[in-house]
Amino acid sequence: DTAVSQTPKYLVTQMGNDKSIKCEQNLGHDTMYWYKQDSKKFLKIMFSYNNKELIINETVPNRFSPKSPDKAHLNLHINSLELGDSAVYFCASSPQQGMKAKNIQYFGAGTRLSVL
Amino acid sequence: SQQGEEDPQALSIQEGENATMNCSYKTSINNLQWYRQNSGRGLVHLILIRSNEREKHSGRLRVTLDTSKKSSSLLITASRAADTASYFCATDMGNTGFQKLVFGTGTRLLVSP
Repeated sequence: DTAVSQTPKYLVTQMGNDKSIKCEQNLGHDTMYWYKQDSKKFLKIMFSYNNKELIINETVPNRFSPKSPDKAHLNLHINSLELGDSAVYFCASSPQQGMKAKNIQYFGAGTRLSVL
Repeated sequence: SQQGEEDPQALSIQEGENATMNCSYKTSINNLQWYRQNSGRGLVHLILIRSNEREKHSGRLRVTLDTSKKSSSLLITASRAADTASYFCATDMGNTGFQKLVFGTGTRLLVSP
């Protein structure tokens, strides 16, 4: 009954490979996010989707391509992996976008990506 | 550049003591939130304070917000070993009607039994 689930939990791969991380939420939320947390624990937004539409796209290399087949899923595909992509990637979701109202985010447990 | 700077970076206290963490930010915000991250886990929302609020309480947590100084503090009273975690402030800077959280650098709290 996990609210926001990511798979895989760990991902070890070679430079140059292509990999995907999947995220699903069963909270009925409208909006989903991808964050990157580096080795210094700095957490930065990468993408946000609302009802399958891209609404936030930070300065992320175009090797990163999010895909939202429906509002409960937001997957992240990474092409040509580089050493600097090593980090923990978190998926999150939140309800009720489009309003400047109270809103909190629910996070998955993270995917630790190690690029060798 | 990074929006939130937190202070201290690390804090070590004994059970029963209070822990205070501070967060400063740079631009106007819709609201400010605090999250906790246990080692190897995702972030968990603790408390949200809106830009027109000055203080908020939730259990052993007390949050203050000073928009004139662009700063917030999180106070955890009567700390427990289970409070050991990293704490992050996050400012909601969304200006298109959609939320955009910008996280601070985090404070690592260690509560010793």
